[in-house]
Amino acid sequence: AQSVTQLDSQVPVFEEAPVELRCNYSSSVSVYLFWYVQYPNQGLQLLLKYLSGSTLVKGINGFEAEFNKSQTSFHLRKPSVHISDTAEYFCAVSDLTSGSARQLTFGSGTQLTVLP
Amino acid sequence: DGGITQSPKYLFRKEGQNVTLSCEQNLNHDAMYWYRQDPGQGLRLIYYSQIVNDFQKGDIAEGYSVSREKKESFPLTVTSAQKNPTAFYLCASNSGRDVNNEQFFGPGTRLTVL
Repeated sequence: AQSVTQLDSQVPVFEEAPVELRCNYSSSVSVYLFWYVQYPNQGLQLLLKYLSGSTLVKGINGFEAEFNKSQTSFHLRKPSVHISDTAEYFCAVSDLTSGSARQLTFGSGTQLTVLP
Repeated sequence: DGGITQSPKYLFRKEGQNVTLSCEQNLNHDAMYWYRQDPGQGLRLIYYSQIVNDFQKGDIAEGYSVSREKKESFPLTVTSAQKNPTAFYLCASNSGRDVNNEQFFGPGTRLTVL
């Protein structure tokens, strides 16, 4: 079984400041890792994903994440946030053995609020 | 444009009533999923389907039912047996063949039980 822990439920940050949203996972097998963003009353949109290769992954809207296998982490970062980045962010994991359906296990989410 | 549609966006029901949430995709995806979202709990898997006429229970299937008669459609019925149905419901799909397993999400349906 796998699990995902998002360590911060709420992250307030001022506009143009850097931000890091933390994600740790637990799995006994190799995994794929994802970050999704959700704006109020909307579905989820993929920000970025790690499948293999370079541990630094760049995504949309200036976000990036780094896969750290030894620490089982996949933290999301942005060097300078905008008001429009205010949203809820979900980390998700899928293991390589779950078959063609490839179920995702989600963290509980981090609400990022960018303050003017 | 390809995508996933869910209807209605907002749904109100009285206690004891069954209600069906619609999910349609035109992405030609084999796999479809239903999630429930509650504040502070992330997304929890209700049911998923890998192919037409086949589906499996997820982590919280009790009080829900689904059907998959067509590739494009995966409706979810919330029955009166679901004790706490008020939540935001999200439908998703993926090709079922890609190794990257990216799931695409619909805009969601907010169900409120009065």
